[in-house]
Amino acid sequence: EVQLVESGGGLVQPGRSLRLSCAASGFTFDDYAMHWVRQAPGKGLEWVSGISWNSGSIGYADSVKGRFTISRDNAKNSLYLQMNSLRAEDTALYYCAKGTLLVPNHAEYFQHWGQGTLVTVSS
Amino acid sequence: QSALTQPASVSGSPGQSITISCTGTSSDVGSYNLVSWYQQHPGKAPKLMIYEGSKRPSGVSNRFSGSKSGNTASLTISGLQAEDEADYYCCSYAGSSTFVFGGGTKLTVL
Repeated sequence: EVQLVESGGGLVQPGRSLRLSCAASGFTFDDYAMHWVRQAPGKGLEWVSGISWNSGSIGYADSVKGRFTISRDNAKNSLYLQMNSLRAEDTALYYCAKGTLLVPNHAEYFQHWGQGTLVTVSS
Repeated sequence: QSALTQPASVSGSPGQSITISCTGTSSDVGSYNLVSWYQQHPGKAPKLMIYEGSKRPSGVSNRFSGSKSGNTASLTISGLQAEDEADYYCCSYAGSSTFVFGGGTKLTVL
């Protein structure tokens, strides 16, 4: 059974940093691209970032480009999101999602989701 | 990377059919045929309902179907049931390893 468990969320002041983690199990982690998707309170889903199996292809939403960095450690079956210069508008539930391909492309979709970790940016 | 356009809400009575549209541009939906759709119940993680435009994952009812025409993808739910009441989101590849979701549609079963 595929399991994705996010951690690292919490309350952080504007301008500070936070690192999210996603522990994956139940599948061969380095066979798939992975993604972060967020959902602000009462709002819709927003794709944040995705990374290919070997970290060779990475994409970011314009809203986080230059501030967030996605990475993965295949030896640890883990996905990460380093979030710097956090803003109030980054407040959201952050989901880790498993892709279906080695490299994200037009055929990619999000097959499995974690339960999310809540990030609150406030002074 | 502008969000795909979905109606904010749709409604239908049990047994009826409804269609949720998802309109993008030639840079996303129009260029890539393989839109995916997700269902989200309150307080729950999203669930994949349709992938590659019209395919259903194992376990998803055949009452759910997907299609696309030009820059607009659609999700149709036939034989509405109470448990279908949820938020629905479309998603498209937008090039350069990026993706874009629709704003979401709240389905109410009357």
